[in-house]
Amino acid sequence: KAGVTQTPRYLIKTRGQQVTLSCSPISGHRSVSWYQQTPGQGLQFLFEYFSETQRNKGNFPGRFSGRQFSNSRSEMNVSTLELGDSALYLCASSPRTITDTQYFGPGTRLTVL
Amino acid sequence: AQRVTQPEKLLSVFKGAPVELKCNYSYSGSPELFWYVQYSRQRLQLLLRHISRESIKGFTADLNKGETSFHLKKPFAQEEDSAMYYCALRNNAGNMLTFGGGTRLMVKP
Repeated sequence: KAGVTQTPRYLIKTRGQQVTLSCSPISGHRSVSWYQQTPGQGLQFLFEYFSETQRNKGNFPGRFSGRQFSNSRSEMNVSTLELGDSALYLCASSPRTITDTQYFGPGTRLTVL
Repeated sequence: AQRVTQPEKLLSVFKGAPVELKCNYSYSGSPELFWYVQYSRQRLQLLLRHISRESIKGFTADLNKGETSFHLKKPFAQEEDSAMYYCALRNNAGNMLTFGGGTRLMVKP
């Protein structure tokens, strides 16, 4: 099976803009989670979607949002970008239940200027 | 609140030496613990999980609930073990991982 794919791989935006990142899970996986990775804060959980419903949410402002489509593909959106949003955004998918292993994508590197 | 702590940012050992990467956690319930590894220019991947109680690439980790620790060990380090290692905790409320800050392991020849 193909692994988790994320597009785009690199993105440069300016403050105040908005951005949408995309994640395609492994075929058959229904859970998609998003994480933000920065040198200062490390890996932090953003949210998880399962069957098009947000199942968990991390401690991030409302500027960060996401959604999941019926084919399990997921997007996350960040509005009104700030310099501190520069990070590697990782997507992970898992088959179904909360006991399943999560498989990570390569990430999208977002730079906010 | 749950928290995972990896006290060492960098661990440098010689090839053939034993390795122990420390991980401590705080969580009031029964957590599930993982070790993830990221090799250079590769994606984050699962190394092992405590419920499997298996050895992967010679690495083992035992969950010590009394000391709230999940240290990763390998008796003889290899150069190809050089990577970034992350300890992670999953609670029973959903598929959310709380990661430690990571430890960079460097194995010198």
